[in-house]
Amino acid sequence: GNSVTQMEGPVTLSEEAFLTINCTYTATGYPSLFWYVQYPGEGLQLLLKATKADDKGSNKGFEATYRKETTSFHLEKGSVQVSDSAVYFCALSGGGTSYGKLTFGQGTILTVHP
Amino acid sequence: GAGVSQSPSNKVTEKGKDVELRCDPISGHTALYWYRQSLGQGLEFLIYFQGNSAPDKSGLPSDRFSAERTGGSVSTLTIQRTQQEDSAVYLCASSLGANDFNEQFFGPGTRLTVL
Repeated sequence: GNSVTQMEGPVTLSEEAFLTINCTYTATGYPSLFWYVQYPGEGLQLLLKATKADDKGSNKGFEATYRKETTSFHLEKGSVQVSDSAVYFCALSGGGTSYGKLTFGQGTILTVHP
Repeated sequence: GAGVSQSPSNKVTEKGKDVELRCDPISGHTALYWYRQSLGQGLEFLIYFQGNSAPDKSGLPSDRFSAERTGGSVSTLTIQRTQQEDSAVYLCASSLGANDFNEQFFGPGTRLTVL
C-alpha cells in the first residue's frame, strides 16, 4: 500500500536559516504529492503540490520537487521566518482508484526563533 | 465564502456512549473525506463520499464507526459504544471532485475525548 515517511522532528531553527524537511514515499502508479501545513490554532491547509514527475510546487517561499527516481518530495525554504512555525505534513494521493484520499506522513514540528 | 465547518468543536463523552460528529462541506464540493488525527497513529483516512456513489469505507477502524452523507452535502460520522482509543481529532475535508489532483479543504476538526 501507499506510505509516506518524513524526517523526524522537531526542527528548531533561527530566523533566516535554510530549511529542509525530507519526505519519501511508496506508492503504486503515479501519485500526486502534497505538503500541508497546520499553523498553531488553525486547521490543516495546502501549502503546495506537484502532480507529475519533475514538477516543482512552490508557495510562500517554500519549494518541493517531485523526484520519481528517488521517490522523494523534500520541502525547502531559503530563509525561514518566525511565522513559519507550524507542523508540516507530506502527503500523497495515489493513482488508480484512490479517489483523492490522502496518505500522510507523521508530521514535522518546525519552531523558528527570532 | 464559507469554508468547511464542523461541530461540535469539542466533545467529551464517557466510554460506551455513542457520539455524532457533523461536517458541513464547502458548497459545490462533491467529494467529502473524513480523517482522524491522533498522537499514536498520526493522520489517517477513514471514509470518503463522492456524489451519489457508494462511499469508500476502507479506512474505518471497526464496525462501531459509520458515516452518512445526506443530500450530497452535510455528513455525519457516528461512533457507537465509544472506547478510550477513539480519542482523537476528527477532521473533515471537501474538494471539487474525488481525484488525485484537487486540493482538499479541511475543517477545524472535532476533538473527541473518551473518558
